[in-house]
Amino acid sequence: EPEVTQTPSHQVTQMGQEVILRCVPISNHLYFYWYRQILGQKVEFLVSFYNNEISEKSEIFDDQFSVERPDGSNFTLKIRSTKLEDSAMYFCASSPPVRGGKLFFGSGTQLSVL
Amino acid sequence: GIQVEQSPPDLILQEGANSTLRCNFSDSVNNLQWFHQNPWGQLINLFYIPSGTKQNGRLSATTVATERYSLLYISSSQTTDSGVYFCAVERGGKLIFGQGTELSVKP
Repeated sequence: EPEVTQTPSHQVTQMGQEVILRCVPISNHLYFYWYRQILGQKVEFLVSFYNNEISEKSEIFDDQFSVERPDGSNFTLKIRSTKLEDSAMYFCASSPPVRGGKLFFGSGTQLSVL
Repeated sequence: GIQVEQSPPDLILQEGANSTLRCNFSDSVNNLQWFHQNPWGQLINLFYIPSGTKQNGRLSATTVATERYSLLYISSSQTTDSGVYFCAVERGGKLIFGQGTELSVKP
């Protein structure tokens, strides 16, 4: 069964450093998302991406965050200058070419900012 | 914004027992999805259920959109059912998650 893959599974970084989290969505999906989950809390929406541009973003997704689809398969989340409060599990998700379709999540990248 | 509330927050069951998890939401939504987050942190989509009833093995879900709630039924629970169950509603192209129900199934 096709699945969303994320790398790395764990990332440790120093405060102020840039990180790039990588995702390969399911191949025929057209909507891509990043969500995050701070330990013990609920899953929060960060950004959605469709047709090579951001379609929605939350208040969390400030100027320190950016997303990119550099080629036909990868979808990346960049955090320019990490802060302690960016420590969280980051999930990539994709959904079929229907707005509001069923979401499939990757296994997540656990980001720890020291 | 829309509020999504799940109950109960925690649930402990003996293996073989049945349970019902509830999700209430405060406004109309385009669809509702149920997820299971296993102890390794993976989010597995259980149901895409904007309305009506669906069944998948020992799990079933019912959404009554007009009354703004959804129920997830787990029958004959197994230890592998342990984890956190989230409901999430879709508005404006994004999912809004509830706080989850943490289920622990004891052997």
